[in-house]
Amino acid sequence: TQLLEQSPQFLSIQEGENLTVYCNSSSVFSSLQWYRQEPGEGPVLLVTVVTGGEVKKLKRLTFQFGDARKDSSLHITAAQPGDTGLYLCAGGAGANNLFFGTGTRLTVIP
Amino acid sequence: GAGVSQTPSNKVTEKGKYVELRCDPISGHTALYWYRQSLGQGPEFLIYFQGTGAADDSGLPNDRFFAVRPEGSVSTLKIQRTERGDSAVYLCASSLLGASGANVLTFGAGSRLTVL
Repeated sequence: TQLLEQSPQFLSIQEGENLTVYCNSSSVFSSLQWYRQEPGEGPVLLVTVVTGGEVKKLKRLTFQFGDARKDSSLHITAAQPGDTGLYLCAGGAGANNLFFGTGTRLTVIP
Repeated sequence: GAGVSQTPSNKVTEKGKYVELRCDPISGHTALYWYRQSLGQGPEFLIYFQGTGAADDSGLPNDRFFAVRPEGSVSTLKIQRTERGDSAVYLCASSLLGASGANVLTFGAGSRLTVL
């Protein structure tokens, strides 16, 4: 099992602030995905990055895949209460398997 | 169906009992995954099916856990002699594996298992 560590584990910020969540591993992944999960629901895919150094933007969210494909970051600009949730990174491994990180619980206070 | 369906949504059982959790994937999705998630944690991989066969079952914690997908569609996760430590949300996901690009999983809402 490839271990993906996310930091911070918990994050509570005021509406309008910026934040960055990190996902780190000692393993190399073929792809890196970010999901968001709300209580009582399954994770929902936000983005997939496949190339080392790749940067993708989704409205106020910016995702980056590390050059060595071992780490990734998620940056949120001007956070809103609707961004509240559990953010999960997931690394793609051989045979189409997918391993999830430890999770970051974000709370955006109005 | 339109999404991944999991039943039951909630299951409360007593220690030592047998439990079955069902997953109905998106029609046509060839791959099916089972994960286990404890409160506030990331999903822990259990097993992954490609068609009818288990392509990777390395995440099953012990021989009390078993999963089947006999016709390549619906899957059942079976837990024998349940223990209190088995309490968690069991998530199922399916995907349509393409020839290239990353694997995109669609998750069900999960089955919450509580072992008393």
